[in-house]
Amino acid sequence: DTAVSQTPKYLVTQMGNDKSIKCEQNLGHDTMYWYKQDSKKFLKIMFSYNNKELIINETVPNRFSPKSPDKAHLNLHINSLELGDSAVYFCASSQGQGHSPLHFGNGTRLTVT
Amino acid sequence: GDSVTQMEGPVTLSEEAFLTINCTYTATGYPSLFWYVQYPGEGLQLLLKATKADDKGSNKGFEATYRKETTSFHLEKGSVQVSDSAVYFCALLNYGGSQGNLIFGKGTKLSVKP
Repeated sequence: DTAVSQTPKYLVTQMGNDKSIKCEQNLGHDTMYWYKQDSKKFLKIMFSYNNKELIINETVPNRFSPKSPDKAHLNLHINSLELGDSAVYFCASSQGQGHSPLHFGNGTRLTVT
Repeated sequence: GDSVTQMEGPVTLSEEAFLTINCTYTATGYPSLFWYVQYPGEGLQLLLKATKADDKGSNKGFEATYRKETTSFHLEKGSVQVSDSAVYFCALLNYGGSQGNLIFGKGTKLSVKP
């Protein structure tokens, strides 16, 4: 009964490949997010989706594309992977866009070789 | 722009020691303030929050008071346990902002030794 689940937990791949990370939440939340955490634990918002509509897109390369088939899922596709993409990617969700807390998944550790 | 500054870690304490992790912020308006905790191998979890000046957030023995005059939200616990070992993130959300605009500090790693 995990609230926010991501797969895979670990992903090792070579430069130039295309990969996807899946995220699902069973909390009934209407907003989902992707965060990137670098090797120094610094967290940065990448995307936010509310009711299947992209509402935030920070300065993220267009090789990264979020896809939301429904409000319980927000997948992250990454094309032409680069070494600098190596990080831990966290999916999160919240109810509404206000001050309700974020619920995070356990992260996907992506290593690009 | 808005920002959050946390004390740099790692912080290493013995069990039952007193903990303080400093957090200061820069923001226009009246932000809400949060502490999130990340246990090893897990995602972040909300630990506590405060939405206005002089509010005190508390949870699991941790406390933080929203001090507008010093723009601070320091995290404290009177007696830490080994199970408190984790990375702690201070965060800010400005009024009217969405959770996607949550601004995190760089995190402070806490290690508690038995």
